[in-house]
Amino acid sequence: DQQVKQNSPSLSVQEGRISILNCDYTNSMFDYFLWYKKYPAEGPTFLISISSIKDKNEDGRFTVFLNKSAKHLSLHIVPSQPGDSAVYFCAASDGSSNTGKLIFGQGTTLQVKP
Amino acid sequence: EADIYQTPRYLVIGTGKKITLECSQTMGHDKMYWYQQDPGMELHLIHYSYGVNSTEKGDLSSESTVSRIRTEHFPLTLESARPSHTSQYLCASSEFGGGLAGSPYNEQFFGPGTRLTVL
Repeated sequence: DQQVKQNSPSLSVQEGRISILNCDYTNSMFDYFLWYKKYPAEGPTFLISISSIKDKNEDGRFTVFLNKSAKHLSLHIVPSQPGDSAVYFCAASDGSSNTGKLIFGQGTTLQVKP
Repeated sequence: EADIYQTPRYLVIGTGKKITLECSQTMGHDKMYWYQQDPGMELHLIHYSYGVNSTEKGDLSSESTVSRIRTEHFPLTLESARPSHTSQYLCASSEFGGGLAGSPYNEQFFGPGTRLTVL
C-alpha cells in the first residue's frame, strides 16, 4: 500500500512557463514533506520542505503548497529552465516516530523544452 | 554542501560473489540510511542507523546487511549477489533532531549512489 503517490510519471513544459508537480499522501500522521530532485546516475538533491503547520513555503523559483485536508502537496517552479529537467521525488515523514524515516513517491520526470 | 561519498559508483559482478558497498559522510551526522531504487520507482528504505552500533531493518526486506562501528562509515554487504539484487543503492545521512526552529525534522543528504549489476 503506497502511502505517497505521484500519479504523473512525466511532465513536459516550455522554458519560462510554470511547472506544477503533484503529490498525494494517505497517512494523516505525516507532518513534514520534502521535494528532491534527481539526475540520472546521481543521488537525490534536497530542494525544499514544508511542515504541516504551514500551507506554503517559498525558496526562489520553487514554492511548495500543502493542502492538509486534501492530503495533497504540489511543487511550483517558476520560471522553468532547461536545467530543471530531472526526476522530482516527493517524500513525507512522521515526526512523532522520531526515526527520521522518509517515505518516497515514485517520482515525476520533468522535461523543460528550450 | 553535503559531503557524503559512495564507492564504487558502478559495479558489475557475477552471481554468488560477496560485495560491500561503501558509504562515508564527513558531516558528523548521527542518522544514516540505505535505499534501493529501480527506474521509475520510489526509493525503498532497506536499512537505517541512529548512531554507532545501532542498525535497523527498513521497510523493504533485503538480504543485505549493514554495520556502523564508526559515525562516518555505514557499509552495506551482500554475502552472495544474485541478479535480483541489480538496482541502484543510495546512501543518505541526516542530523538527529535539531531542525529548523527546534523541530525534529531534518532533510536527508544523499550520496551519488552505486549502480549494481549482477550477471
